[in-house]
Amino acid sequence: QKEVEQNSGPLSVPEGAIASLNCTYSDRGSQSFFWYRQYSGKSPELIMSIYSNGDKEDGRFTAQLNKASQYVSLLIRDSQPSDSATYLCAVAPPGYGNKLVFGAGTILRVKS
Amino acid sequence: DVKVTQSSRYLVKRTGEKVFLECVQDMDHENMFWYRQDPGLGLRLIYFSYDVKMKEKGDIPEGYSVSREKKERFSLILESASTNQTSMYLCASSFPGVYGYTFGSGTRLTVV
Repeated sequence: QKEVEQNSGPLSVPEGAIASLNCTYSDRGSQSFFWYRQYSGKSPELIMSIYSNGDKEDGRFTAQLNKASQYVSLLIRDSQPSDSATYLCAVAPPGYGNKLVFGAGTILRVKS
Repeated sequence: DVKVTQSSRYLVKRTGEKVFLECVQDMDHENMFWYRQDPGLGLRLIYFSYDVKMKEKGDIPEGYSVSREKKERFSLILESASTNQTSMYLCASSFPGVYGYTFGSGTRLTVV
């Protein structure tokens, strides 16, 4: 069973703070990991991908991967109200073809 | 502007009806996907197509079928709609080996 687990939230942070979103996955052989952002009433959009252990930074976003712990996270620095959305973690398990398994998402609310 | 277009934003159907959800993409993508999104369950894959007339079952194919007669169009068919198929349906597409899916805006289907 391929599983991706996320805390549903909501996670509330004040404007300017760091938001930390976490995700665990069950398939130890997974090699590719993604974060999608979904605004209310909209479709998901890819914001980050990570393939190697460690950190990957893109602007205010940092993805962190620890394959030994089967854990991937997304940090959002200097959080803005416009970051309020649902963040979906997605994993490409081995042997699953060109398909992703999505978590249920974490709702993030940034309060001004 | 590249697009994945889903034919209906909102749809209300009666139990037992045959329902067609249409998805068209203009990016010449080989891969197309149908997901359903439910609160607390995230995105679950119904069917996947990697080429014209080629399809694979996803994680929850029961009660659904698909058709892909042309590269740009991928249809989801509910053979006999039931109330437990009330959900948000999302179509997505991508090139092979690319996990940055482009999603359509979704169809919110209500079966009464």
